[in-house]
Amino acid sequence: EVQLVESGGGLVKPGGSLRLSCAASGFAFSTYAMHWVRQAPGKGLEWVSYISTRSSYMYYADSLKGRFTISRDNAKNSLYLQMNSLRVEDTAVYYCARDVPMVRGGDLDFWGQGTLVAVSS
Amino acid sequence: SYVLTQPPSVSVAPGQTARITCGGNDIGGKGVHWYQQKPGQAPVLVVYDDSDRPSGIPERFSGSNSGNTATLTINRIEAGDEADYYCQVWETTSDHPHVVFGGGTRLTVL
Repeated sequence: EVQLVESGGGLVKPGGSLRLSCAASGFAFSTYAMHWVRQAPGKGLEWVSYISTRSSYMYYADSLKGRFTISRDNAKNSLYLQMNSLRVEDTAVYYCARDVPMVRGGDLDFWGQGTLVAVSS
Repeated sequence: SYVLTQPPSVSVAPGQTARITCGGNDIGGKGVHWYQQKPGQAPVLVVYDDSDRPSGIPERFSGSNSGNTATLTINRIEAGDEADYYCQVWETTSDHPHVVFGGGTRLTVL
């Protein structure tokens, strides 16, 4: 059974940092690209970042302006999101999700349950 | 940047058909994927690559995509279909590829 379990969320002050983790199991993690997607309270889904299988390609939402860094450790079946210079507007549930590549653009076929990041003074 | 436009809400009576649209410039040239999200839960993929269904998704869910509009169709609506629905594509024509989600549509079963 495919499982994605996020951790590392919590309450942080503006300007602070957090590192989110996503533990994968039930599939060959190293053969799948991965995403982070967030959802602010009461709002829609917002894509955050993508990383390819061997970390050769990493893409980010323009709105992040270089504050977040995605990474992975295939030996540990883990995905990470380093978040720096956090702002109140970064408050959201952060999901990790598995990518399935397709010719005309892939989908996100499995999602974790999410971890809540709250940025407040 | 590429924008996907969904109606904020759709209301349908039980047993009827719900159609949720996702508009985007020449979206027919992209693969469109649809997600269902119930309150307090993670999104679930219900249609991928315009019209295919993942294992375990009822045949009542179907999709189409042409021109500037993709559509998720849910036949024989049930109370359990009440949820938020999001469309998604990849935008690869810019110098940095990225994923785009529509704003979401709240499906209410009357």
